Amino acid sequence: EVQLVESGGGLVKPGGSLRLSCATSGFTFTKAWMSWVRQAPGKGLEWVGQIKSKIDGGTTDYAASVKGRFTISRDDSKNTLYLQMNSLKSEDRAVYYCTMVGSGWYLGHWGQGTLVTVSS
Amino acid sequence: QTVVTQEPSFSVPPGGTVTLTCGLSSGSVSTSYFPSWYQQTPGQAPRTLIYTTDSRSFGVPDRFSGSIVGNKAALTITGAQADDECDYYCVLYMGSGISVFGGGTKLTVL
Repeated sequence: EVQLVESGGGLVKPGGSLRLSCATSGFTFTKAWMSWVRQAPGKGLEWVGQIKSKIDGGTTDYAASVKGRFTISRDDSKNTLYLQMNSLKSEDRAVYYCTMVGSGWYLGHWGQGTLVTVSS
Repeated sequence: QTVVTQEPSFSVPPGGTVTLTCGLSSGSVSTSYFPSWYQQTPGQAPRTLIYTTDSRSFGVPDRFSGSIVGNKAALTITGAQADDECDYYCVLYMGSGISVFGGGTKLTVL
C-alpha cells in the first residue's frame, strides 16, 4: 500500500524558513516523480512544484509564486521527499500535501498534509 | 498568464447527471494538457478521480467519466449521490514541467 506521510509543519514568522518532509513507502521511490501541492485555509488547491526521479534527471519545476524561495529535494536512500521553504510570507500559510506524480502528469497518491502557519 | 477556469458552483438533483468543465482563459483544452480531476471532501486530502483526460483512477466508480467537450475538459457524474457533494478540481499540464489547478467547483446534490 502506498503511504505518504508529511511532517515538519508548524508556526513560523514572516521571513523565516521551514523544511517539510514526506516519508514514503509501498512503492519504488527511486523511480517516482514527486510533487507538492498546497491549500490555503478555505481556498483551492495550488500546485507548488515537482521533482523528477534521478533516473529521469532529478530536475525540479516550481510555480511562479514560490520559485526562488522554495526548493524541492529528495533522499532516495531514505525514501523521503523534502520541501525547503525560505522567505516565508503570510500567503504561504496552507496545508501542504505530498503527492506522487503518475505518468501523464497527474497526481496519483496523496498524503494527509501538514499545516504551515506564517504569523508574527 | 493563462488561468484554468472551472464553474465556482454547480447543483444536481439526486440521481441526476452533471458535467463539470475545465477550461482556459485563453485557448482550448486538448488531450495534450493531460487533464486530471480530483475530489475533495472538507477536511480530507484530495482523491484522484480521472487522469489523462478519461482514465479512471483505481477504485473510482464508473459513474465518473472524463472527456473533452468542445474546447474544455469535462468531468461527468451520472446518478449523483449525496456523498458526491464536495469540491472538484481539475489540473492541466501547461508544459515545461508546470501544472496548474483550476479554482475548483463546489457541487451540491439537492
